[in-house]
Amino acid sequence: RKEVEQDPGPFNVPEGATVAFNCTYSNSASQSFFWYRQDCRKEPKLLMSVYSSGNEDGRFTAQLNRASQYISLLIRDSKLSDSATYLCVVPTPNTGNQFYFGTGTSLTVIP
Amino acid sequence: ETGVTQSPTHLIKTRGQQVTLRCSSQSGHNTVSWYQQALGQGPQFIFQYYREEENGRGNFPPRFSGLQFPNYSSELNVNALELDDSALYLCASSLRQGDYGYTFGSGTRLTVV
Repeated sequence: RKEVEQDPGPFNVPEGATVAFNCTYSNSASQSFFWYRQDCRKEPKLLMSVYSSGNEDGRFTAQLNRASQYISLLIRDSKLSDSATYLCVVPTPNTGNQFYFGTGTSLTVIP
Repeated sequence: ETGVTQSPTHLIKTRGQQVTLRCSSQSGHNTVSWYQQALGQGPQFIFQYYREEENGRGNFPPRFSGLQFPNYSSELNVNALELDDSALYLCASSLRQGDYGYTFGSGTRLTVV
């Protein structure tokens, strides 16, 4: 089983829509989780950290369900500029010296 | 504007050749990690260096090797290149070992023909 699994999509949604991505992780000892955003042919950039049950930043909400070992990312009122690939990231527990990335979920927001 | 600089930005090599990729860490960051991202995949951990010592390695063969220098800049060397080595190679620096605050460079896109 992979350390981190994501639905690759693609998700094509109209502007203003709400979209949610899910990610599952295999190591129950994991404590920290991240969502990164990656634009086409660019480097990943940190979008949100998830350390407890969830985190909200404007139109973005990340939630963590430890019992089911999944993390979700909700984007409300989608903008054209939200079009990107969203990567779920789980560091190795304890040492944190290795990030496990999901394959990424592709989002295209349509005018 | 990223504080991590990678060079070159693009590179084309022939199968069997060797390649060296370079990374300058963000100022004050003593830990650097290298990742390989194949097309359509998430980045895969190659290894991490902390204060010039390897500090963890992913599932990559020994022909992938690295160095970190006293100024915390780093190199990734790949010998005997294979077609499957074609990928985006990302360097990420962090303030210290175990710090989750990665800053990624913009990557080196390697094509092996």
